[in-house]
Amino acid sequence: AQSVTQLDSQVPVFEEAPVELRCNYSSSVSVYLFWYVQYPNQGLQLLLKYLSGSTLVESINGFEAEFNKSQTSFHLRKPSVHISDTAEYFCAVSERDSSASKIIFGSGTRLSIRP
Amino acid sequence: DAEITQSPRHKITETGRQVTLACHQTWNHNNMFWYRQDLGHGLRLIHYSYGVQDTNKGEVSDGYSVSRSNTEDLPLTLESAASSQTSVYFCASSSGGPRAGELFFGEGSRLTVL
Repeated sequence: AQSVTQLDSQVPVFEEAPVELRCNYSSSVSVYLFWYVQYPNQGLQLLLKYLSGSTLVESINGFEAEFNKSQTSFHLRKPSVHISDTAEYFCAVSERDSSASKIIFGSGTRLSIRP
Repeated sequence: DAEITQSPRHKITETGRQVTLACHQTWNHNNMFWYRQDLGHGLRLIHYSYGVQDTNKGEVSDGYSVSRSNTEDLPLTLESAASSQTSVYFCASSSGGPRAGELFFGEGSRLTVL
């Protein structure tokens, strides 16, 4: 069975400061990894994904995440945050090599940006 | 444009009543999922389907049921609503293979059980 742990339920940071949102996973098989973002009163949107290849993946709005197999982690980082990044972020995992796979989410990290 | 829609967006009901939340997607995705979102718990999987006539229980399926009679729809039914089922419910869909984890979400249905 898979599981996802997001170690921080809330992360407050100042605008233009760097941020790291932590995610660790557990699985008996190889996995795909995802970060989703939820803006207030909206559904979740895919932010970035790791399927294969380079372990460092990037989003269009400056976030990046690095897959670390030995530490079973997929932490999300941004070097300089903006007010518009205020949202809740969810890490998720699905089984590799399965055409029909359920996706398991972490409990979420609420990112709040202070001006 | 393809989309996934949920209805109703807001629903207030009484304990013991049957409630059905609708989910309709035009992505032609085989995979469909229902999650509930509660503070401190993130998203928890209720039921999911990998295709027509296929349904599976998730981690919090008690008190809920789904049916999949076509590709586009996966309605979620609460047979006898309980106050513990007050939550925000999200429907999602995805295609297969490596993209199975790339979910497209509806905007959510907020259910209050009094």
